[in-house]
Amino acid sequence: QKEVEQNSGPLSVPEGAIASLNCTYSDRVSQSFFWYRQYSGKSPELIMSIYSNGDKEDGRFTAQLNKASQYVSLLIRDSQPSDSATYLCAVLSIRETSYDKVIFGPGTSLSVIP
Amino acid sequence: GAVVSQHPSRVICKSGTSVKIECRSLDFQATTMFWYRQFPKKSLMLMATSNEGSKATYEQGVEKDKFLINHASLTLSTLTVTSAHPEDSSFYICSASWRAYTDTQYFGPGTRLTVL
Repeated sequence: QKEVEQNSGPLSVPEGAIASLNCTYSDRVSQSFFWYRQYSGKSPELIMSIYSNGDKEDGRFTAQLNKASQYVSLLIRDSQPSDSATYLCAVLSIRETSYDKVIFGPGTSLSVIP
Repeated sequence: GAVVSQHPSRVICKSGTSVKIECRSLDFQATTMFWYRQFPKKSLMLMATSNEGSKATYEQGVEKDKFLINHASLTLSTLTVTSAHPEDSSFYICSASWRAYTDTQYFGPGTRLTVL
């Protein structure tokens, strides 16, 4: 089982709609979760971090965390064509025998259609 | 805040040469820096983690003699690809965090290496 899983997509949504991106993880004791956006040919940029169960909102972005179900999601409201990118979910993996490490998922490609 | 720079942004070199990539945290002291590589349409692959003043921790399958990492100060880490070959051509990205491992990582803009 992969440690962090995401649907690869592409996920297509019309402009103005809500885009919903999902991520599941296998490490039950993970405490820190991150969403990054990566445009083609560019490096990832941080959108949001979340540490507690529930919702965290920042502008058009809402991160949702459910530790019991081991999933974290990202909602993008009023999607814009400029939101078209690959979205990476990252989870801090607590390791007993080595360093803790942030594990990145494979990313979901989002396409917002004008 | 949390700006990370990388230099060079692009490099083209002949097979057999060595290439050095610099990663700098511009407005904060980075206890930990990370080096990733990414092939087209693939996810990030962590190569190694470095802490200032100590040896880097390499991921399984990454040759430490091939990819030399130095983290000489709290604002600078370097990755040297030694005796580069065409299969080393990739997008190399560094990231930095304030504290070891548990903190948010901020990424540099990446370096695209092409080995002829």
